[in-house]
Amino acid sequence: EPEVTQTPSHQVTQMGQEVILRCVPISNHLYFYWYRQILGQKVEFLVSFYNNEISEKSEIFDDQFSVERPDGSNFTLKIRSTKLEDSAMYFCASNGQGTYGYTFGSGTRLTVV
Amino acid sequence: RKEVEQDPGPFNVPEGATVAFNCTYSNSASQSFFWYRQDCRKEPKLLMSVYSSGNEDGRFTAQLNRASQYISLLIRDSKLSDSATYLCVVISPPYGQNFVFGPGTRLSVLP
Repeated sequence: EPEVTQTPSHQVTQMGQEVILRCVPISNHLYFYWYRQILGQKVEFLVSFYNNEISEKSEIFDDQFSVERPDGSNFTLKIRSTKLEDSAMYFCASNGQGTYGYTFGSGTRLTVV
Repeated sequence: RKEVEQDPGPFNVPEGATVAFNCTYSNSASQSFFWYRQDCRKEPKLLMSVYSSGNEDGRFTAQLNRASQYISLLIRDSKLSDSATYLCVVISPPYGQNFVFGPGTRLSVLP
């Protein structure tokens, strides 16, 4: 079964540092997403990406965040200057055109210290 | 009012029990509905879509009531492996295709 893969599985970073979370969506999917889940809280939408541009973003996705699809396979989330409250599980997801079911990656646990 | 609300849980049930989860959503323009399950510290995984006519997949039955803005999930003959958090997910404007997750209801099936 096709998978969305995310790396690293766990990243620890110091406050103020930049981090890049990487995702490889399913190869024939066209829509890509980042979600986050703070420990013990619900899954929250960050951003969606289609046709090489952001299609929608939430209030959480402020100027500290950016996304990029640098080549045909990777989809990255960059947090420019991390804050303690950015500590969370970050999930990448993708789906194909005409399908509603999202496939989620296994997540990157980001810990900001 | 929160967009998607669920039973607060947790639900602790014995093996073989039938358990029902409830979910309500606030946006009457919501388009599509799903149940996901999430194991501890894992990613959400699609359990089933929810159709207006109701749908069944083995031991799992999902129902949608658009007039009441209510979704349900019924699990019959629960197994130990059903222990997880069940997430109600709704596609609602203004996010277009993007999912809005409920807070989840934790289920523990006990031997």
